Amino acid sequence: KAGVTQTPRYLIKTRGQQVTLSCSPISGHRSVSWYQQTPGQGLQFLFEYFSETQRNKGNFPGRFSGRQFSNSRSEMNVSTLELGDSALYLCASSLQPSGGEYNEQFFGPGTRLTVL
Amino acid sequence: GNSVTQMEGPVTLSEEAFLTINCTYTATGYPSLFWYVQYPGEGLQLLLKATKADDKGSNKGFEATYRKETTSFHLEKGSVQVSDSAVYFCALSDSLPGAGSYQLTFGKGTKLSVIP
Repeated sequence: KAGVTQTPRYLIKTRGQQVTLSCSPISGHRSVSWYQQTPGQGLQFLFEYFSETQRNKGNFPGRFSGRQFSNSRSEMNVSTLELGDSALYLCASSLQPSGGEYNEQFFGPGTRLTVL
Repeated sequence: GNSVTQMEGPVTLSEEAFLTINCTYTATGYPSLFWYVQYPGEGLQLLLKATKADDKGSNKGFEATYRKETTSFHLEKGSVQVSDSAVYFCALSDSLPGAGSYQLTFGKGTKLSVIP
């Protein structure tokens, strides 16, 4: 079974631009979560989607947004990039249904975004 | 809110040495606890987990016990190998009541280097 894939793996942008990152979950997984990893703040939760609906959102400004498609693939978008947005963006998928106990999240390799 | 505190790194050990990485948490309710490992250039991999008090998670020689009385989940390994060199993250699962959505709250990570 293929794992979580993220594209692109590396990205360089300049301040003020916008960027879109893509995540393809493991087949059959309908929940996709996004995390930001930086040396200063560590790993922080961005948002989670399930069946094309955002179920949960972390404490990030509105410049960070996402969506999920009917095939469970997800994209996240960052508008008006700032230097501080430079980070590794990780996507994780799980079977997590509504309710019930926690289902393991499987992580992709991440997209390394550099903002100049 | 919930939080995870783990010992600062980096940690450098000789091969076959004993490893302990301390992790304590603050949480409302009864979260599940995890250790994730991140190898250079890769995403996160689940190393082990424990879902209730006194549970012991174990995998690849690593162990951690869910201690509710001390709110701790310390990672241990009796004899480390060079291949164990990586960054280790302690995490807990937060749930959004009623939404069936879970997010992971991570510690800052501990970089382990094992030298021959």
